[in-house]
Amino acid sequence: GEDVEQSLFLSVREGDSSVINCTYTDSSSTYLYWYKQEPGAGLQLLTYIFSNMDMKQDQRLTVLLNKKDKHLSLRIADTQTGDSAIYFCAEAASSGGYQKVTFGTGTKLQVIP
Amino acid sequence: DADVTQTPRNRITKTGKRIMLECSQTKGHDRMYWYRQDPGLGLRLIYYSFDVKDINKGEISDGYSVSRQAQAKFSLSLESAIPNQTALYFCATSDIGGLGVSTDTQYFGPGTRLTVL
Repeated sequence: GEDVEQSLFLSVREGDSSVINCTYTDSSSTYLYWYKQEPGAGLQLLTYIFSNMDMKQDQRLTVLLNKKDKHLSLRIADTQTGDSAIYFCAEAASSGGYQKVTFGTGTKLQVIP
Repeated sequence: DADVTQTPRNRITKTGKRIMLECSQTKGHDRMYWYRQDPGLGLRLIYYSFDVKDINKGEISDGYSVSRQAQAKFSLSLESAIPNQTALYFCATSDIGGLGVSTDTQYFGPGTRLTVL
């Protein structure tokens, strides 16, 4: 079945770049996503990438996709204390006639001032 | 106003009690989902519904039931709560794009923290 894995914790200093990594197993994924969960809140979509793309950039965010290795990463440039949150990787893959979305375990990003 | 709302936001109950968690949305989306979040396990899908007449089990549906009362409302019930159902529960919605192609972006409610003693 589908499996999406992430490391549980990452700590960076304010101003440095953060790189959050994710691996997935389903080779038929159509979209891959990064969601952000701030304390006490639900998940919010940060960005997504279509599976036929290698890279997507959106302001401070860069998403890299290596389909061969089934590896997705999120780079946050100039990390700020407001970026402290849990980041979830997710993939959408066709399953029984619809797109099933599977979420990873989440990576807690701690930004040290 | 929030597009996806959940009530209650916090609930403490005892083993064996019946609990209902409610979700409402104003996004006009057909698809709705219930997830639970546990530390280190991420989000796991409990039930999902593609329209009022289409309800499906997710990966961890045992001990739960749902009702889709209208396009905008999707409730989750725990018929007889047990302590290992203590978790953070999220409702989410998503939509189909105009040409039947969807990015399946999900829009989440703020969550309900449920504690079963």
